[in-house]
Amino acid sequence: EIVMTQSPATLSVSPGERATLSCRASQSVSSDLAWYQQKPGQAPRLLIYGASTRATGIPARFSGSGSGTEFTLTISSLQSEDFAVYYCQQYNNWPGTFGQGTKLEIK
Amino acid sequence: QITLKESGPTLVKPTQTLTLTCTFSGFSLSTSRVGVGWIRQPPGKALEWLAINYWDDDKRYSPSLKSRLTITKDTSKNQVVLTMTNMDPVDTATYYCVHRPAKAATDYWGQGTLVTVSS
Repeated sequence: EIVMTQSPATLSVSPGERATLSCRASQSVSSDLAWYQQKPGQAPRLLIYGASTRATGIPARFSGSGSGTEFTLTISSLQSEDFAVYYCQQYNNWPGTFGQGTKLEIK
Repeated sequence: QITLKESGPTLVKPTQTLTLTCTFSGFSLSTSRVGVGWIRQPPGKALEWLAINYWDDDKRYSPSLKSRLTITKDTSKNQVVLTMTNMDPVDTATYYCVHRPAKAATDYWGQGTLVTVSS
């Protein structure tokens, strides 16, 4: 089973600043990597798939990069509604394992 | 518009069997590449895939839970059912029904249903 490791566990950033979240896979997952945003009491929402393609309706301030084992989610100019928990997930191999999440909090 | 909704008990006793039903709309599980599955999330913890049933009746199960899980589909009713045997308090979690095309990301999620395992 592929292990996904996210860092940091918690990230404190001020509104308007940039946030960079990392995700590492224990073996190559090619570009089969997705990012999800989850707010309290809500289901996760797909942000990015294919490592860098924004899902429908996702603002351009969200961008993804990477391939193989190293991936990054960047949120430029943080808005108040962006403070949430973010998960990466590989879907190259079954089961599509998730990272432990990065909590993005207001500084 | 794709929607999925979970239904089932909110409380089960240890050793009992959990049966959850996902009722969906906006797509057909007979369409090529379509899959409907289940993901769970214990309180305050990360997400974990449980099982998925694809359009061609290919089924996949979490390796660690395979012996306890059964997933079935009823295409005519637009439903997918998950059963999990021998429930334990550690199985307390929110269970999500999801839409996931083959070799693609999970793009639609149900609202989730919290299942508590307690005597």
